[in-house]
Amino acid sequence: EVQLVESGGGLVQPGRSLRLSCAASGFTFDDYAMHWVRQAPGKGLEWVSGISWNSGSIGYADSVKGRFTISRDNAKNSLYLQMNSLRAEDTALYYCAKDRAGGTFEGFSFDYWGQGTLVTVSS
Amino acid sequence: QSALTQPASVSGSPGQSITISCTGTSSDVGGYNYVSWYQQHPGKAPKLMIYEVSNRPSGVPDRFSGSKSGNTASLTISGLQAEDEADYYCSSYTSSSTLLFGGGTKLTVL
Repeated sequence: EVQLVESGGGLVQPGRSLRLSCAASGFTFDDYAMHWVRQAPGKGLEWVSGISWNSGSIGYADSVKGRFTISRDNAKNSLYLQMNSLRAEDTALYYCAKDRAGGTFEGFSFDYWGQGTLVTVSS
Repeated sequence: QSALTQPASVSGSPGQSITISCTGTSSDVGGYNYVSWYQQHPGKAPKLMIYEVSNRPSGVPDRFSGSKSGNTASLTISGLQAEDEADYYCSSYTSSSTLLFGGGTKLTVL
C-alpha cells in the first residue's frame, strides 16, 4: 500500500524558515518524480514544486522561486521542502504527491497524496 | 501565471449528467495533452480522476470522462450519484515546465 506521510509543519513567524518532510513507502521511491502541492485554508490547490527521480530536473512555482528548495533522499525514501523567508501568504496545508507517470519531469499527474501538514505563518 | 478558469459551482440531480469546463491558453491546456482532473471531498486529500485529458486510473468509475477542444478541457460525470458531491480541480502542464491548477468547482448533487 502506497503511503505518503508529511511532517514538519507548524506555526512560524514571517521571515523565518521551516523544513517539511515526506516519508514514502509502498512503492519504489526512486522510480518516480515527486511534488509538493499546497492549499490555503478554504482555497484551491496550488502546485509548489517538483523533482525528478534523480534530482536532475527541478521546478518551482513563481510564487516560491528563490525562497523554497525541494530535495529528496532516495536512500531514505524521503522528500523535503526547505522554506525560507516565509510570508503570511504561504499559510496552507502542504501535500506531498507522487507522480503517476514515472521519474521524469513531464505531465504532472498525481496518483497518490499524503494527508498534508499545516504551515501557519503569523506573528 | 493565472489559474485555469473553472466555474465556481455546478449542480445536478441524481442520474443526470454534468460537465465542468476548464479554460486555459495555448501555453497550457491547448498546448499539451497533460490535463488532469481531481476530486476532493471536505477534509480529504485530492483524488486523481482523469489524467492525460481522457484516461481514467484504475478504480475510477467509467461515469467519469474527460475531453479537450482547443484551450478548454472538460470533465463529464454521467449518472450523477450523491457521493459525487465534492470539489473538482483541473490541472495542466505548462510551457514553463510548471503545473497550473484551476480555481476549483463545487459540485452539488440536488
